Amino acid sequence: GIQVEQSPPDLILQEGANSTLRCNFSDSVNNLQWFHQNPWGQLINLFYIPSGTKQNGRLSATTVATERYSLLYISSSQTTDSGVYFCAGPGAGTGFQKLVFGTGTRLLVSP
Amino acid sequence: ETGVTQSPTHLIKTRGQQVTLRCSSQSGHNTVSWYQQALGQGPQFIFQYYREEENGRGNFPPRFSGLQFPNYSSELNVNALELDDSALYLCASSGGRNTEAFFGQGTRLTVV
Repeated sequence: GIQVEQSPPDLILQEGANSTLRCNFSDSVNNLQWFHQNPWGQLINLFYIPSGTKQNGRLSATTVATERYSLLYISSSQTTDSGVYFCAGPGAGTGFQKLVFGTGTRLLVSP
Repeated sequence: ETGVTQSPTHLIKTRGQQVTLRCSSQSGHNTVSWYQQALGQGPQFIFQYYREEENGRGNFPPRFSGLQFPNYSSELNVNALELDDSALYLCASSGGRNTEAFFGQGTRLTVV
């Protein structure tokens, strides 16, 4: 199955700073999702982005499927952005939707 | 539109016992998947149910089993609990293959 690598593993930012999180896949993916896991454990959907670029407020994401990576941009970070960010996607050709997650990027935004 | 809901939110069980976790899928979704997330790790796929049948399974032993009901809600059953089963269990629902998955708030299971 596919493997998912996320970088950096940990990130500490001052409030207001910008950041880029990266997700690399070992094989092609036919869909990709970014999640934010809040302190209570719930995975909040950020983007469903098989390819191209999407924006939602201060967050945007770009997936380059042919090069097997996706980027999540956070601009003007706020303390509420703290938490763990995961990317996940299934391998191409699977007969069912099994999401393979990376190990996450742990973000701490300090005031 | 109702989101994915899981119950209970927290649970403490003794080693060797059995546990049942429940999940109500999002309205209009016919596919439910279960994941286990150990502390400090990403979620790991347990299995998926589509129209009341298991149609995919991860690397988990048979003591992890499940059901999906006609209303597409689902149960995860774990028999003979082990200490290593302590984890956050997440349920996700989706409208089918290669569509966006939405997660519930999770059930935090502690085995003592």
